[in-house]
Amino acid sequence: SAVISQKPSRDICQRGTSLTIQCQVDSQVTMMFWYRQQPGQSLTLIATANQGSEATYESGFVIDKFPISRPNLTFSTLTVSNMSPEDSSIYLCSVEETNNSWEETQYFGPGTRLLVL
Amino acid sequence: KQEVTQIPAALSVPEGENLVLNCSFTDSAIYNLQWFRQDPGKGLTSLLLIQSSQREQTSGRLNASLDKSSGRSTLYIAASQPGDSATYLCAVLSGTYKYIFGTGTRLKVLA
Repeated sequence: SAVISQKPSRDICQRGTSLTIQCQVDSQVTMMFWYRQQPGQSLTLIATANQGSEATYESGFVIDKFPISRPNLTFSTLTVSNMSPEDSSIYLCSVEETNNSWEETQYFGPGTRLLVL
Repeated sequence: KQEVTQIPAALSVPEGENLVLNCSFTDSAIYNLQWFRQDPGKGLTSLLLIQSSQREQTSGRLNASLDKSSGRSTLYIAASQPGDSATYLCAVLSGTYKYIFGTGTRLKVLA
């Protein structure tokens, strides 16, 4: 199974600043996903990041606010731009793996806990 | 549009009890369903994955069932322990090929 690490694990930021979150996978994967989990809520998909193409954003999320990079098959970054207290959430990176039986499993990173003051 | 609901939202049980967590989804055309565990302030750990062609999966004290036609899945935890205390999330992979998550069940097992 894929092992995923995220940096930073947590941060406290000032309103109006930006934070870039890194996601590193120990194997090459085609699809990487970024999720947000607001306090007391379930997970919401922000965007899908495929290597070599622009990220695909879900409804309610835009590239200017959440720019994503995917320079290779093991790494991605998510930037939370011009932050406000409403951006305080856990941000999770995820990858999908397909086994020899064509069964997909999704693995998640440990998350980045962001508090915006 | 796929919607996933989990009942109950919160559950508190004494140690040793067997318990059932429920997950329902509105669109039965799914590829698979996963159950996850999330500890407070942490990421997600995959517990069990059930493909659309399967009826159940087991891992240790955990058993997950899937009834696609009725849009339901259950996670059965046998002989619960305080270490099982966490939030349990189910997620379905469906037509849009994206995982849709349920609202979660917060479980507390009392010693």
